[in-house]
Amino acid sequence: DSGVTQTPKHLITATGQRVTLRCSPRSGDLSVYWYQQSLDQGLQFLIQYYNGEERAKGNILERFSAQQFPDLHSELNLSSLELGDSALYFCASSQRQGESTNYGYTFGSGTRLTVV
Amino acid sequence: AQSVSQHNHHVILSEAASLELGCNYSYGGTVNLFWYVQYPGQHLQLLLKYFSGDPLVKGIKGFEAEFIKSKFSFNLRKPSVQWSDTAEYFCAVNEGLSGSARQLTFGSGTQLTVLP
Repeated sequence: DSGVTQTPKHLITATGQRVTLRCSPRSGDLSVYWYQQSLDQGLQFLIQYYNGEERAKGNILERFSAQQFPDLHSELNLSSLELGDSALYFCASSQRQGESTNYGYTFGSGTRLTVV
Repeated sequence: AQSVSQHNHHVILSEAASLELGCNYSYGGTVNLFWYVQYPGQHLQLLLKYFSGDPLVKGIKGFEAEFIKSKFSFNLRKPSVQWSDTAEYFCAVNEGLSGSARQLTFGSGTQLTVLP
């Protein structure tokens, strides 16, 4: 167990549907990152939140959105799903308050999304 | 935008063979460099990281990497691989003096298969 919890572990849904992926960061970590891992695109950065605020945006589609709540957990919302959205979605956390930024990142085990 | 190249997509070795996985990045400024390992169905685990100082970095499980700034490279090495090293390996980079406060850019990964 890495300390980062992602739910659900697996999700199968139909095209056009909307799903929500959840990430609970390592205790005390203020930053949450979302990544998409697919066979053709590899590991792509989607978005970063820091203490509730969006900090950086990567290759995130307009159909996707995210937020970080006051308890620091984060949700990634994927809507109007397409077959090509099938991928493993990883969450990572970092920057525990008072800790050096040289500590690094902690990754969750991911949510495997299959769109049929 | 920075990019990371891992030229070996799949490497097959026999146990006790030596390993070197290539990683090159494109960013010309200050960088932080990472190697992660991913076992099937598991989260990304940090093998080693370089932020500054000695360019030869030692990590867990007998892995090491050397940062060669002039070659924009951060190759991963292990003198003698074991069957349990079979996994996918990712090189990653972020820029600046940010430590783990910024998102990572990942390479496409190298699948290592070690034959018993």
